[in-house]
Amino acid sequence: DTEVTQTPKHLVMGMTNKKSLKCEQHMGHRAMYWYKQKAKKPPELMFVYSYEKLSINESVPSRFSPECPNSSLLNLHLHALQPEDSALYLCASRPAGLENEQYFGPGTRLTVT
Amino acid sequence: SQELEQSPQSLIVQEGKNLTINCTSSKTLYGLYWYKQKYGEGLIFLMMLQKGGEEKSHEKITAKLDEKKQQSSLHITASQPSHAGIYLCGADAYGGATNKLIFGTGTLLAVQP
Repeated sequence: DTEVTQTPKHLVMGMTNKKSLKCEQHMGHRAMYWYKQKAKKPPELMFVYSYEKLSINESVPSRFSPECPNSSLLNLHLHALQPEDSALYLCASRPAGLENEQYFGPGTRLTVT
Repeated sequence: SQELEQSPQSLIVQEGKNLTINCTSSKTLYGLYWYKQKYGEGLIFLMMLQKGGEEKSHEKITAKLDEKKQQSSLHITASQPSHAGIYLCGADAYGGATNKLIFGTGTLLAVQP
């Protein structure tokens, strides 16, 4: 199994809703990433988990809350989002060690109304 | 901080024509990655380059990293409509215990039949 899966594929939520994005990989990768991508822009790193511990938080607002329950699963909990948070959210994983390729999931298209 | 600039920003070519996309880094590159993305989808890994002067090919796509390791090029020979998409270069930026991938500005490629 060499893929990263993400659910849901599409999500529409109101500004008062609470929702979660899910990412899963079974390649034994110990680094997992969340990216946000706006239209016509490259992906921007949000969070990095290394060995299930939060390693990097790129000054992301607290309305985004990441969680890594185990080495295969990565969640992104969403609460009180703003319309400008509408974007494609990409998850990626990477083998341990430096300078290895990242494997990306297909993304979740999020719309905040 | 490291920045990656891609050129051109967008490109329209006739099917069968060759093309080149460039990626220039503000700092020495220690790992350079090329990805392709269809609109609204995840990123597909194309190639990774690490050594100065390195060149790799896959099907009709060739990527090179210059000797000084600050510039990479992606060359497509005899382009096909299936080559259309957004091409992103990425580079490792060390974030302490975990490295992170930063992306270039992207190049949108359209191939006209």
